[in-house]
Amino acid sequence: NAGVTQTPKFRILKIGQSMTLQCTQDMNHNYMYWYRQDPGMGLKLIYYSVGAGITDKGEVPNGYNVSRSTTEDFPLRLELAAPSQTSVYFCASSYSPQPAGALSGNTIYFGEGSWLTVV
Amino acid sequence: QQQVKQSPQSLIVQKGGISIINCAYENTAFDYFPWYQQFPGKGPALLIAIRPDVSEKKEGRFTISFNKSAKQFSLHIMDSQPGDSATYFCAARQAGTALIFGKGTTLSVSS
Repeated sequence: NAGVTQTPKFRILKIGQSMTLQCTQDMNHNYMYWYRQDPGMGLKLIYYSVGAGITDKGEVPNGYNVSRSTTEDFPLRLELAAPSQTSVYFCASSYSPQPAGALSGNTIYFGEGSWLTVV
Repeated sequence: QQQVKQSPQSLIVQKGGISIINCAYENTAFDYFPWYQQFPGKGPALLIAIRPDVSEKKEGRFTISFNKSAKQFSLHIMDSQPGDSATYFCAARQAGTALIFGKGTTLSVSS
């Protein structure tokens, strides 16, 4: 029962390099998300997907790209790494957001995070 | 524009005391208000959640108090324990959209 799995756990990139953060979930969730977490700034949504083939921008999408070719996988691509992208990245998934009355169906499940440093 | 404002940024509580974290929001279309708990090196995990037609929800030592007219909600941790030391995030969601998180509160419970 893996839940949401992210790789790599840690990575150091040089400015201008590219990389992909991998994310996979085994809960058959149709919604998937990428958040970044910076100290004292909470979690900010980068991109999200409501299903295979459908993605949309979140609050801080610049410098990132995503794709969703399958229900299970939602990779995050950094094309030209910049120091401002040093952060902890969290992938998450959920069922379709439910009406407020169905609280249990609204839970978002997070991976354990990927620590990225750009130098 | 910060849609969910959380305070305090950090909190130190004695073992057995009550921890209180507050959040305020502006968007009256929000219909779901969860609290997430995050331990160091781990991803956030749902702790407790409430909908706006309920004023209070309690699960064990954790209680959400919700004041719709004031557009505020708070997390109360009764009999706080060292194992409760973590970062707590409030969040809110408008139907059909993704969660918006507060900036987090780092709670330290001293023994």
